[in-house]
Amino acid sequence: DAGVIQSPRHEVTEMGQEVTLRCKPISGHNSLFWYRQTMMRGLELLIYFNNNVPIDDSGMPEDRFSAKMPNASFSTLKIQPSEPRDSAVYFCASSLRGGAGNTIYFGEGSWLTVV
Amino acid sequence: DQQVKQNSPSLSVQEGRISILNCDYTNSMFDYFLWYKKYPAEGPTFLISISSIKDKNEDGRFTVFLNKSAKHLSLHIVPSQPGDSAVYFCAAPIQGAQKLVFGQGTRLTINP
Repeated sequence: DAGVIQSPRHEVTEMGQEVTLRCKPISGHNSLFWYRQTMMRGLELLIYFNNNVPIDDSGMPEDRFSAKMPNASFSTLKIQPSEPRDSAVYFCASSLRGGAGNTIYFGEGSWLTVV
Repeated sequence: DQQVKQNSPSLSVQEGRISILNCDYTNSMFDYFLWYKKYPAEGPTFLISISSIKDKNEDGRFTVFLNKSAKHLSLHIVPSQPGDSAVYFCAAPIQGAQKLVFGQGTRLTINP
């Protein structure tokens, strides 16, 4: 079974450029999460969706960040304009709402470097 | 506001010995806790969990202990193996919500 699929795996971009990260959740899962991992803050939740609807975006750092989920099998996280402090690993995860134990399944991450 | 805290950023243990990873939390309303394991260049993967109505859950070499009065949980790995070298995160769901809050992680290194 395919897990959560993220692209790109690695992205190096210049400050001020737009960055788009993509995610395909596990088929049948109805919740999708975007997390960011940094050395200072560990894993922090940016936003999550239930049935394609954003439920909580309180973790989104600022207006430069936006996320969409146009359908059950695709989501994007966009940063515009990007800044060096956005450099981090961005993880997408999915789960089956009401499933056992609140377990969520992570993708392999998108490593973003903004220079 | 870090509701889940892992105060040890790293831990080094000899192969065959017991590894003990610790986690503290501040929110007494948490009713479920999870441990995730992360290898380099991979996403975190679920390892083991425990409900707040229990004080122990065991799965093979992995055991999680919960001390509600101290708001503390720990993950024991015995015997430790080289493949256990990874970053371990403890996590808890915000009550009434699905989102997990994670600790900062502890990097475990198992030495041969």
